[in-house]
Amino acid sequence: AQSVAQPEDQVNVAEGNPLTVKCTYSVSGNPYLFWYVQYPNRGLQFLLKYITGDNLVKGSYGFEAEFNKSQTSFHLKKPSALVSDSALYFCAVRDPTGGGNKLTFGTGTQLKVEL
Amino acid sequence: EPEVTQTPSHQVTQMGQEVILRCVPISNHLYFYWYRQILGQKVEFLVSFYNNEISEKSEIFDDQFSVERPDGSNFTLKIRSTKLEDSAMYFCASRPSFYEQYFGPGTRLTVT
Repeated sequence: AQSVAQPEDQVNVAEGNPLTVKCTYSVSGNPYLFWYVQYPNRGLQFLLKYITGDNLVKGSYGFEAEFNKSQTSFHLKKPSALVSDSALYFCAVRDPTGGGNKLTFGTGTQLKVEL
Repeated sequence: EPEVTQTPSHQVTQMGQEVILRCVPISNHLYFYWYRQILGQKVEFLVSFYNNEISEKSEIFDDQFSVERPDGSNFTLKIRSTKLEDSAMYFCASRPSFYEQYFGPGTRLTVT
């Protein structure tokens, strides 16, 4: 069965500093990987995905993520954090062999960016 | 930009009552999903729907749950007899033929 782990419940970073939100996954076959962001009282907003190709993928709002197959990781990064980036971030994996193409989510990481 | 919409935003119901949560997926999307998020917990898959039938469902999606696409635009989740533990945020999502799913803002269901 596919699974996702986000080892940090919360990440604190100062505005202007780089940020990293960690994610590791487990899936049979080649994974499809996603990051979503959730602002308070809002739905999940798609940030970026990895399907195949270049291991570094770029997404919305200056975010990027690096796929590392040997470490089964897909960490979310941003070179310079903004206070407005403060939100709950979810990593998700989709097993491409699954018929329904469901997403399995991690437990989420609360990102807090402070001045 | 097209969005997935959900109504109502908040539904309060008594235990044992039936509720219907409604979603309007993005037009021309082919795949539809329901997920739920119990307060403070992770987002969990409930069911996926394609070509007018369920393509996959989780263990959570028991006989109390059903989904329907009654017309060309709506996608509904029905809970026949709600339980306290059904209290959660319910998210609808849709997907075109390719990869990412687009989520609605959610319906907060409170069962009292």
